[in-house]
Amino acid sequence: QKEVEQDPGPLSVPEGAIVSLNCTYSNSAFQYFMWYRQYSRKGPELLMYTYSSGNKEDGRFTAQVDKSSKYISLFIRDSQPSDSATYLCAMSQNTGGFKTIFGAGTRLFVKA
Amino acid sequence: SQTIHQWPATLVQPVGSPLSLECTVEGTSNPNLYWYRQAAGRGLQLLFYSIGIDQISSEVPQNLSASRPQDRQFILSSKKLLLSDSGFYLCAWSQFSNTEAFFGQGTRLTVV
Repeated sequence: QKEVEQDPGPLSVPEGAIVSLNCTYSNSAFQYFMWYRQYSRKGPELLMYTYSSGNKEDGRFTAQVDKSSKYISLFIRDSQPSDSATYLCAMSQNTGGFKTIFGAGTRLFVKA
Repeated sequence: SQTIHQWPATLVQPVGSPLSLECTVEGTSNPNLYWYRQAAGRGLQLLFYSIGIDQISSEVPQNLSASRPQDRQFILSSKKLLLSDSGFYLCAWSQFSNTEAFFGQGTRLTVV
């Protein structure tokens, strides 16, 4: 079993839709959870990071962590064509750092 | 502000040839530096990390090596490339081991 599981998609939605991206994990020691956005042929850029369980909101993006279920989510409201990218979840016992484990990424397409 | 530079963006090399990819960070001192490889559908694999000059740790034994001759310079090398070395290589930095990582734009390496 992989430490982090993420559906690779692709996920295709119309502009304006609410997008839900998810990851599950097996290591209960993970405390820090991150979401990165990666455009084609570019490096990942950090979108959100959260510590332990709970929600964090930043503009149209909301990150949710449920440690009891070992499940994290990223919600995108009012999705735009510019949100079309691959979204990678990542988690570690420390933020970033040596032992960050990344999901395989979900490809998202937002159609105008 | 901090910036990370990685070059070249794309590279096509014959099997058996040497490799040198360079990464530099500006605007910070004594960063943690990382080399990742990203394969399609498989997430990011940590190859090497460094906490200081000439301090390199390898996560995966392979045909590659890394060096850090200066505080903000990280180099990925190979003496003889294999076909299996093809992939998307990403350099990243973090201020500390427990802070989020920031990525360069990546190098697409194709070994032919």
